[in-house]
Amino acid sequence: DAGVTQSPTHLIKTRGQQVTLRCSPKSGHDTVSWYQQALGQGPQFIFQYYEEEERQRGNFPDRFSGHQFPNYSSELNVNALLLGDSALYLCASSLGGLGSTDTQYFGPGTRLTVL
Amino acid sequence: AQRVTQPEKLLSVFKGAPVELKCNYSYSGSPELFWYVQYSRQRLQLLLRHISRESIKGFTADLNKGETSFHLKKPFAQEEDSAMYYCALKGVSTRGYSTLTFGKGTMLLVSP
Repeated sequence: DAGVTQSPTHLIKTRGQQVTLRCSPKSGHDTVSWYQQALGQGPQFIFQYYEEEERQRGNFPDRFSGHQFPNYSSELNVNALLLGDSALYLCASSLGGLGSTDTQYFGPGTRLTVL
Repeated sequence: AQRVTQPEKLLSVFKGAPVELKCNYSYSGSPELFWYVQYSRQRLQLLLRHISRESIKGFTADLNKGETSFHLKKPFAQEEDSAMYYCALKGVSTRGYSTLTFGKGTMLLVSP
């Protein structure tokens, strides 16, 4: 098991463009959470997907959207990119369901640079 | 609102010295606390969680609800402990779903 995988590793975009980041969860996991980690900061929760639905969202604008596929993989989309969107985007997978212990396992991240 | 504070950006110690990484939290419910670690060029990984009351790589952390703290301790630091450490709080929303809130992290540097 390769654990949580993310693609691409690095990405450079310009302001106003749109970007899609991808995540494959650890084998057996059904829940995917996305985090943004700006330089010098801890990861900040964006949203979480379970059973192909967004079930929890952090304090991020609607420009940030996502999707989960039947195989539990997930995409993070960011529209109308701003310079401030430059960050490391982390994906974490866990075994979901209410009341679960759901330890989160993190991927290596995608480094997004917006010029 | 839930919040995690790690007051130190950098903690530098010599090998063999005791280490204490501070973490304070703010949460109205019953918290679940974690320590995550990120070694150089590796992904973020769980170090320990308070409900397990375990010692991992010689590290321990005790939840102090009175002081709303969850400090990470190790009696004798090793060079391989050098890494970025994040304290995280799992809170449960009104809808019943849990989310992780991270602190800004503390870089631990252990010198020979």
